[in-house]
Amino acid sequence: DGGITQSPKYLFRKEGQNVTLSCEQNLNHDAMYWYRQDPGQGLRLIYYSQIVNDFQKGDIAEGYSVSREKKESFPLTVTSAQKNPTAFYLCASRNRERIDQPQHFGDGTRLSIL
Amino acid sequence: SQQGEEDPQALSIQEGENATMNCSYKTSINNLQWYRQNSGRGLVHLILIRSNEREKHSGRLRVTLDTSKKSSSLLITASRAADTASYFCATSNFGNEKLTFGTGTRLTIIP
Repeated sequence: DGGITQSPKYLFRKEGQNVTLSCEQNLNHDAMYWYRQDPGQGLRLIYYSQIVNDFQKGDIAEGYSVSREKKESFPLTVTSAQKNPTAFYLCASRNRERIDQPQHFGDGTRLSIL
Repeated sequence: SQQGEEDPQALSIQEGENATMNCSYKTSINNLQWYRQNSGRGLVHLILIRSNEREKHSGRLRVTLDTSKKSSSLLITASRAADTASYFCATSNFGNEKLTFGTGTRLTIIP
């Protein structure tokens, strides 16, 4: 079955540590997205990528970094510069062939501070 | 930035009743989408309505769009316990690959 896989499901970060969240899709989608969701809130866009080797900052990119070396993969690194990283992180992808294609989401990674 | 605001923030109804939630947005849009999120899970796309459409149906879902008022509503008819979830609207602007999400409505169906 096609879909998006995020790992790990739960992640703990120590002070001063960088952590990387994995997102893999086998939907052959060009566009991929990373969102942050805080309790009781909507989704805020961190980074997005429309094509391999290219990505753009979203609304809250500070303290995060991404890479897009392969079409299938869009890992997110939460750096030590992100002072409030505790949140639920969601990855999504979309078929860009038509403007009205919806986004498909993974099941998220919950990041907490130790 | 979050363009959409959902109303109400939380809604509890008896199983079998209809549930209506509303979304308001601020700028011109290309389309508006509704997503469902079960607790601790990712979002699932429910329905998309284009800016030139006024109403759309999908199973027990009915979505309306009023671009003059910059608002949309999602109606779930004959609710079921499995409909318990958070519902988000998201807007897509012209020439923009991004979606802007609202704050969500948390729906609880009481058996």
